[in-house]
Amino acid sequence: DQQVKQNSPSLSVQEGRISILNCDYTNSMFDYFLWYKKYPAEGPTFLISISSIKDKNEDGRFTVFLNKSAKHLSLHIVPSQPGDSAVYFCAASARRLTFGEGTQLTVNP
Amino acid sequence: GAGVSQSPSNKVTEKGKDVELRCDPISGHTALYWYRQSLGQGLEFLIYFQGNSAPDKSGLPSDRFSAERTGGSVSTLTIQRTQQEDSAVYLCASSLYGGYGTEAFFGQGTRLTVV
Repeated sequence: DQQVKQNSPSLSVQEGRISILNCDYTNSMFDYFLWYKKYPAEGPTFLISISSIKDKNEDGRFTVFLNKSAKHLSLHIVPSQPGDSAVYFCAASARRLTFGEGTQLTVNP
Repeated sequence: GAGVSQSPSNKVTEKGKDVELRCDPISGHTALYWYRQSLGQGLEFLIYFQGNSAPDKSGLPSDRFSAERTGGSVSTLTIQRTQQEDSAVYLCASSLYGGYGTEAFFGQGTRLTVV
């Protein structure tokens, strides 16, 4: 039972444009959501989070949006940079963290 | 150290042998997770320790897998009678406390190859 799903395995954007990564969840008990970034041969690193009582959280170039009625989460990166190329995982927390399958983002110079 | 430390970083073992993977969480973190990532796959939850509570073992794929956390700190993941499908990167993470409001910090992982 995949409670957190990232339906796009890959995304390619041009440098300077917006990257939008999407995530859907099924468990209404999730109350905290996170995005992680992972480079090859490294562990995932925390990027940004949002509480279920909010619908938006912004940190520099990164903004996370939460639509609870749709059980949908998105991460916007603007402007995208080549160094943002990585696998992005969304995660949701009830008692423990559940991760999606990841989306490989490639930002082309 | 300041971060989550995992050892070994790489392990090659023969099919049928037992392996132990070690995780040193960030000092003071009460929650500890094990995940694995097989080639081309996402992060698969294995087990979760939170303080003195009984661990959540719901993600362990078979009874060949077990984990313990001694003294609320170091954790060891043991795989008995390894199979080729056990080949993956095993990731450990810790957080200050489990659940709402805290992010988990990951180690660099142990790449396990079963030949």
